[in-house]
Amino acid sequence: GENVEQHPSTLSVQEGDSAVIKCTYSDSASNYFPWYKQELGKRPQLIIDIRSNVGEKKDQRIAVTLNKTAKHFSLHITETQPEDSAVYFCAASYSNSGYALNFGKGTSLLVTP
Amino acid sequence: GAGVSQSPSNKVTEKGKDVELRCDPISGHTALYWYRQSLGQGLEFLIYFQGNSAPDKSGLPSDRFSAERTGGSVSTLTIQRTQQEDSAVYLCASSLDRPGIFGYTFGSGTRLTVV
Repeated sequence: GENVEQHPSTLSVQEGDSAVIKCTYSDSASNYFPWYKQELGKRPQLIIDIRSNVGEKKDQRIAVTLNKTAKHFSLHITETQPEDSAVYFCAASYSNSGYALNFGKGTSLLVTP
Repeated sequence: GAGVSQSPSNKVTEKGKDVELRCDPISGHTALYWYRQSLGQGLEFLIYFQGNSAPDKSGLPSDRFSAERTGGSVSTLTIQRTQQEDSAVYLCASSLDRPGIFGYTFGSGTRLTVV
């Protein structure tokens, strides 16, 4: 099947620093790339998404970049806060029927005060 | 309802028994997805329903797994003859049409433990 690779699997940063999570995908027909945040014991929540006709999107401290040629996309969190600590999942739509999302294995982000 | 509702929230079952997991999507959402999340792992696609079309079952791990969606709304995921490796959180998500347009909303999941 189509794969989404996500790195790193764990990331520890100090409060105020930036965090970057990177993903690559294999389906050239993928056209939608969301990011989800999952706090311990809770459901994944959509935090930002980007579509293939856009190279970058920003929402306050969160930004996502997409390089369709290289088939990779990244999440950038600036001025990190302890409440940013969670598992982050990237995903890419795949062109099988329904355009279901194919998820990365997640990045556990820890922001220390 | 206001969100995607799943029941039960927790289920402990004995190996070999059948279980049914329920998902009630957001009203009006035509697309419904089931995913499985094992401990410390990502989300594994299981099955997708879109309107009245035939479901995409390409992610179901074995023929012990099946799902139905009645009346284009509520869905039931059934696991027959459960095995210990079936233990996971089963997440349901729904969206207006394709997620590439509107994105997913997840339910809180059913934590299944097979003992």
